[in-house]
Amino acid sequence: AQTVTQSQPEMSVQEAETVTLSCTYDTSENNYYLFWYKQPPSRQMILVIRQEAYKQQNATENRFSVNFQKAAKSFSLKISDSQLGDTAMYFCAFMKRGGNKLVFGAGTILRVKS
Amino acid sequence: EPEVTQTPSHQVTQMGQEVILRCVPISNHLYFYWYRQILGQKVEFLVSFYNNEISEKSEIFDDQFSVERPDGSNFTLKIRSTKLEDSAMYFCASSNDRNNEKLFFGSGTQLSVL
Repeated sequence: AQTVTQSQPEMSVQEAETVTLSCTYDTSENNYYLFWYKQPPSRQMILVIRQEAYKQQNATENRFSVNFQKAAKSFSLKISDSQLGDTAMYFCAFMKRGGNKLVFGAGTILRVKS
Repeated sequence: EPEVTQTPSHQVTQMGQEVILRCVPISNHLYFYWYRQILGQKVEFLVSFYNNEISEKSEIFDDQFSVERPDGSNFTLKIRSTKLEDSAMYFCASSNDRNNEKLFFGSGTQLSVL
């Protein structure tokens, strides 16, 4: 069974600064996908970024980028130029290729301060 | 941007009552999911549904739960006899591909069992 661990329950960052959220996972699968989801106070789940394990290049979406270390089973999210609207709960998630379900971590609450 | 619609946004029910949570997935999507999130806990997979049948279900999805796609547009989750511990936010999600390259979540139904 796969597990996803987010070791930081809460993080704070000043507006315009950079913050990195940590995520590690455990799996015996070789082909899989990793995701970061954002859950603002409205509680809607919004996909931030997706990484395919067979791709060595780290995914990037505007101010969001990941540091994917397959051997270390690490998948951190970097948010550059943090904005107040980035305040949310962030979930790391895993899905094996050909699978049907996402396995989520416990989440990290990120607060962006002005 | 297409969206997954869930109704109602809040549902209050008495323990032992049946409840039906409704979802309208994005129209050309083929894969459908229910997840739940107990307050303060991680998001958990309940069930996946494809081609009018359950693809996979979790241990949580016992005989009290059922899903249905009655008319080609709605996707429902029924809880036959609700328990206090069923209180949670229930998320519907849909995707056009099995690898969830674009998995869209609804805004959730908050179920409170009294």
